[in-house]
Amino acid sequence: DAGVIQSPRHEVTEMGQEVTLRCKPISGHDYLFWYRQTMMRGLELLIYFNNNVPIDDSGMPEDRFSAKMPNASFSTLKIQPSEPRDSAVYFCASSPGQFNTEAFFGQGTRLTVV
Amino acid sequence: GENVEQHPSTLSVQEGDSAVIKCTYSDSASNYFPWYKQELGKGPQLIIDIRSNVGEKKDQRIAVTLNKTAKHFSLHITETQPEDSAVYFCAASIMSQFYFGTGTSLTVIP
Repeated sequence: DAGVIQSPRHEVTEMGQEVTLRCKPISGHDYLFWYRQTMMRGLELLIYFNNNVPIDDSGMPEDRFSAKMPNASFSTLKIQPSEPRDSAVYFCASSPGQFNTEAFFGQGTRLTVV
Repeated sequence: GENVEQHPSTLSVQEGDSAVIKCTYSDSASNYFPWYKQELGKGPQLIIDIRSNVGEKKDQRIAVTLNKTAKHFSLHITETQPEDSAVYFCAASIMSQFYFGTGTSLTVIP
């Protein structure tokens, strides 16, 4: 397996624009996580899915953020409208979810909102 | 919810010396404790993990200890090498949800 695949790797956008980040989890993994990483706050869990169903979105900062998982092989994180304070590295991770096995991380998307 | 604290935030050691990173957690229901290494421009990668029914685990130069009573767990790297320089994250897991520490930036000085 190629691992967790995220796209794009880098995104630069203007304030107010819509941004969509994409993730393909490892095949067969039941859990998918979206994290945001900043110097100030470290790794923050935004939302996670189990079998394509959102389980906990309490980490989503505000209504401008939304996430979907239409099928087992694809998830998106959307920010609309984007703001400069959304600039961060966004990671997607997936896990088999059985007996607390590890989460496998993608390479991340570095988002810059100017 | 779970709260994971990690210390120190930065650590510099001479090549060949040992490095120790410590974490505490708050929720006694946490039962899985992975450690991740993150190199510049990459996603975190698992280096070692321990489950709550084990007190210590070792893999070559890396070892992890867990004290469930005190809710402490630690990462030990012996004979450090320059390629060990990276940011290390501890995490505690409950019901397949992961809570991360704030990270330790380790620099190994040749």
